Amino acid sequence: DAGVIQSPRHEVTEMGQEVTLRCKPISGHDYLFWYRQTMMRGLELLIYFNNNVPIDDSGMPEDRFSAKMPNASFSTLKIQPSEPRDSAVYFCASSYGRVWQETQYFGPGTRLLVL
Amino acid sequence: GQQLNQSPQSMFIQEGEDVSMNCTSSSIFNTWLWYKQDPGEGPVLLIALYKAGELTSNGRLTAQFGITRKDSFLNISASIPSDVGIYFCAGLGNTGKLIFGQGTTLQVKP
Repeated sequence: DAGVIQSPRHEVTEMGQEVTLRCKPISGHDYLFWYRQTMMRGLELLIYFNNNVPIDDSGMPEDRFSAKMPNASFSTLKIQPSEPRDSAVYFCASSYGRVWQETQYFGPGTRLLVL
Repeated sequence: GQQLNQSPQSMFIQEGEDVSMNCTSSSIFNTWLWYKQDPGEGPVLLIALYKAGELTSNGRLTAQFGITRKDSFLNISASIPSDVGIYFCAGLGNTGKLIFGQGTTLQVKP
């Protein structure tokens, strides 16, 4: 298996633009997680899905952020409108089985820079 | 809200030395996880702990779930250059939300 796939790997955009980050989890995994990592705030869990259904979105910073999982093999994290403080590395991870008892496999991340 | 204090923030050691890092909190956690992140990559789970007092090893790594459920430590024995990276603790408490420590950056001098 190719592991968790994220695209794009790098994104540079201007403030106010819409940003869409994409994730393909490992085939067969039933949990998908979105994380954000910054120097100031460290690693934060934004939202996670189980069988394509959002379970906990309490980490989503504000209404400008939205995440969807239309099917088992694809998820998006959208920021609209983007702001400079959204600059971060966004990771997607997937796992199978018990949510916090099983290993989460992280993708390589999307490095977002909002100017 | 729940917070984790991870220390030290960074370490610079000689190859072959043992390393110890820990995470503490004023809140109780039900699960402790330890991750390692290499530059430009996502975190990789090293060890997971589920019971107070639990001591678990993974090769040269050993981690313990504190008896008070408010702390955890990670030890690395006989460090090697490939141990370089950032180590994160993460705790799962009654809120059901996974909280991460700020990370410990480890550098190993050959």
